[in-house]
Amino acid sequence: QVQLQQWGAGLLKPSETLSLTCAVSGDSFSYYFWSWIRQPPGKGLEWIVEINHSGSTNYNPSLQRRVTMSIDTSKTQFSLNLSSVTAADTAVYYCARIRDYYDTSGENTAWYFDLWSRGTLVTVSS
Amino acid sequence: SSELTQDPAVSVALGQTVRITCQGDSLRTYYSSWYQQKPGQAPLLVIYGENNRPSGIPDRFSGSSAGDTTTLTITGAQAEDEADYHCHTRHSSGRPYLFGAGTKVTVL
Repeated sequence: QVQLQQWGAGLLKPSETLSLTCAVSGDSFSYYFWSWIRQPPGKGLEWIVEINHSGSTNYNPSLQRRVTMSIDTSKTQFSLNLSSVTAADTAVYYCARIRDYYDTSGENTAWYFDLWSRGTLVTVSS
Repeated sequence: SSELTQDPAVSVALGQTVRITCQGDSLRTYYSSWYQQKPGQAPLLVIYGENNRPSGIPDRFSGSSAGDTTTLTITGAQAEDEADYHCHTRHSSGRPYLFGAGTKVTVL
């Protein structure tokens, strides 16, 4: 059974760097894109970044200048760094697996997050 | 619009049908996926693509799309279906992924 387990600091001060790591067990790690998603308290989900096994990344433009995502295929882990955090970065952070969907004509017309971690609440406070 | 718009809240009587909609220009290009989220839990995929359910999701959950709108339907809502539901798709410009703000479903 595939599992995502994440860890990282839960309390940061403004201007510090958020660092989270997600470990994948029981899966073909190299087949997929892996992603980070966050959810501020009482709000909706916000996609942050994705990466594949070769290190190819795609970013949410609104966060791109502060985000770094890396992958370690030997450990089947991937990590998120978010620099210069503020109170607005307070959120539950999830790691997730991305799957491709091909419609009946064979076109790749959807993507979906089929596996999620339990999430880590990261609070930014002075 | 480049965003996804959902109604903030809907309610449904136990055993009745509820439809949750999500609207956005990108839905003209790509199919959506839907996620159920209960308090304190991670989102759970319930519908993806044209109308596909992951293993373990009850068949009372179904999806459809038309134009710029995608709809999640719960036919015969149960008490355990009370949750927030989030829609998701990929931005039609090629920049990845969008989420709606979520719809809170209350089962009366």
